[in-house]
Amino acid sequence: QKEVEQDPGPLSVPEGAIVSLNCTYSNSAFQYFMWYRQYSRKGPELLMYTYSSGNKEDGRFTAQVDKSSKYISLFIRDSQPSDSATYLCAMYKTSGSRLTFGEGTQLTVNP
Amino acid sequence: GAGVSQSPRYKVAKRGQDVALRCDPISGHVSLFWYQQALGQGPEFLTYFQNEAQLDKSGLPSDRFFAERPEGSVSTLKIQRTQQEDSAVYLCASSQGQGAWDEQFFGPGTRLTVL
Repeated sequence: QKEVEQDPGPLSVPEGAIVSLNCTYSNSAFQYFMWYRQYSRKGPELLMYTYSSGNKEDGRFTAQVDKSSKYISLFIRDSQPSDSATYLCAMYKTSGSRLTFGEGTQLTVNP
Repeated sequence: GAGVSQSPRYKVAKRGQDVALRCDPISGHVSLFWYQQALGQGPEFLTYFQNEAQLDKSGLPSDRFFAERPEGSVSTLKIQRTQQEDSAVYLCASSQGQGAWDEQFFGPGTRLTVL
């Protein structure tokens, strides 16, 4: 079983929809959580970075962490065609040098 | 350069050939990471450098994989006697601080195809 599970999709939504992306993890040693966006044939780029349980908002994006359930989410409001990409959750432990990624969810926002 | 660059962008190798993949991190970045991304999967950690020191190589899948960063800047990932299962995108990332906690900036990757 993978340490981090993410539904690969694909997910297709109309422009303007609210998108919900999720990951679960099994190891409570994971303490820092990130969401990356990866466009086709590009490297991932950091969208959101959270530590504590709760919500963090940045523009149209909200990251949510529930450590008790080992569950993290990314919400995208008013989705745009330019949001079409693969979204990767990533996390790491307080000691250690590696990021552990989910397998990514492919999102398409249709105009 | 403004970001992390990698070369070549695409590499086709015959099974059994050796390949070398180059990463130019952002100038001044202390940490450098290599990841392997198979088709439809998330990146998998390979190895981590802090300056010229390779502090973690636990993700390298076999002793055919070797990475170096001799002067604490440019890094090379070498794969000897390539196998078909080595086909993947190899991503390099760098960060200003030490360890995985700091924001990692990724290059565009090298897409390796082994025939």
